[in-house]
Amino acid sequence: GAGVSQSPRYKVAKRGQDVALRCDPISGHVSLFWYQQALGQGPEFLTYFQNEAQLDKSGLPSDRFFAERPEGSVSTLKIQRTQQEDSAVYLCASSYLAGTGYNEQFFGPGTRLTVL
Amino acid sequence: QKEVEQDPGPLSVPEGAIVSLNCTYSNSAFQYFMWYRQYSRKGPELLMYTYSSGNKEDGRFTAQVDKSSKYISLFIRDSQPSDSATYLCAMSGRGNKLVFGAGTILRVKS
Repeated sequence: GAGVSQSPRYKVAKRGQDVALRCDPISGHVSLFWYQQALGQGPEFLTYFQNEAQLDKSGLPSDRFFAERPEGSVSTLKIQRTQQEDSAVYLCASSYLAGTGYNEQFFGPGTRLTVL
Repeated sequence: QKEVEQDPGPLSVPEGAIVSLNCTYSNSAFQYFMWYRQYSRKGPELLMYTYSSGNKEDGRFTAQVDKSSKYISLFIRDSQPSDSATYLCAMSGRGNKLVFGAGTILRVKS
């Protein structure tokens, strides 16, 4: 039973480059989340998908951040014109159900992005 | 001020000690309370989940929620070196997004 996988695990980008981070959720999971974890901090919510619909993108820090999940499974987080403050670990999580109750989120190992 | 406050530590204890970790929060809409454990260069993994106020026990771990005080705790009995990790509290309301504390670094010395 595969868990949530993310690629690449590590990414180094020069300031101004565009990057794309991939998340493969657990098969059959309806909900998918992206979180950003700065060094020494807890994860912070970025965006949420229910199947292919992006229902909440309130945590995206700027219009340079864009996420998609076109077929309701794999998701990509894209950051355009990266800045040094974008350096962080980007975590993806998925859960089996959607709705207003509690649904356990399973996290991937994260992608560590370093912007030079 | 952050919605969820958590002392980052580090907290260093001898093997076998009882560990107490806690978080305070300000949003009274939170209903679901979780503790995650995160090892270095890994994603968070769920340890305990509690709905509303009360206690929940699972092996060496006990989670407590006091909604009237907006205070949650995690107790670890008979701590082991393998418990050394960062412990994150997290909470959510009716929606699905989690709000995390900053995490407490725990070191259990053998």
